[in-house]
Amino acid sequence: KAGVTQTPRYLIKTRGQQVTLSCSPISGHRSVSWYQQTPGQGLQFLFEYFSETQRNKGNFPGRFSGRQFSNSRSEMNVSTLELGDSALYLCASSLRGLAGVTGELFFGEGSRLTVL
Amino acid sequence: EDKVVQSPLSLVVHEGDTVTLNCSYEVTNFRSLLWYKQEKKAPTFLFMLTSSGIEKKSGRLSSILDKKELFSILNITATQTGDSAVYLCAVEASGNTGKLIFGQGTTLQVKP
Repeated sequence: KAGVTQTPRYLIKTRGQQVTLSCSPISGHRSVSWYQQTPGQGLQFLFEYFSETQRNKGNFPGRFSGRQFSNSRSEMNVSTLELGDSALYLCASSLRGLAGVTGELFFGEGSRLTVL
Repeated sequence: EDKVVQSPLSLVVHEGDTVTLNCSYEVTNFRSLLWYKQEKKAPTFLFMLTSSGIEKKSGRLSSILDKKELFSILNITATQTGDSAVYLCAVEASGNTGKLIFGQGTTLQVKP
């Protein structure tokens, strides 16, 4: 069974640009969450999607946005990049959100963004 | 504000030692606590503890949850160099499906 796939794995952007990251969840998983990981702040929750609807959002500015498609694949976008946006962006999928289902989040290997 | 605190932040041991990693939390409407291991890539799942499952064991790793005192520990016995990693503790509140609040992580280095 394929795991969570994130693309691109590495990218370099300059301040002011925008970036789009993609996440393909494990087959059958309809919940997709996004996290930002930095050395200073650790892992911080960005948002979570289930069946194309954003159900939960973390404390990030509006420059951070996302969406989910009907096949459960998700994208996140960061506009007007700042130096502080340099981080590892992790996507996780799970079966959570289905009635009565609990369980772990499965993480992808992340997209490492460097903003110059 | 919901919070997760792990201790120690880093730890160096020798192969064969036993280690205990700590995780304390404050969260409204606690639902579950999860432990992950992160090497230089994706965090991998270790355990999930809930009200109905407060003790878990898998090989040399075990974990308990104390819901009264609001903490969890992760024990690793007979450590190996392959156990070197960052260990992450995260909690989830009811109603916040998919939102995990992570601690800072404990960096464990196991020397031969």
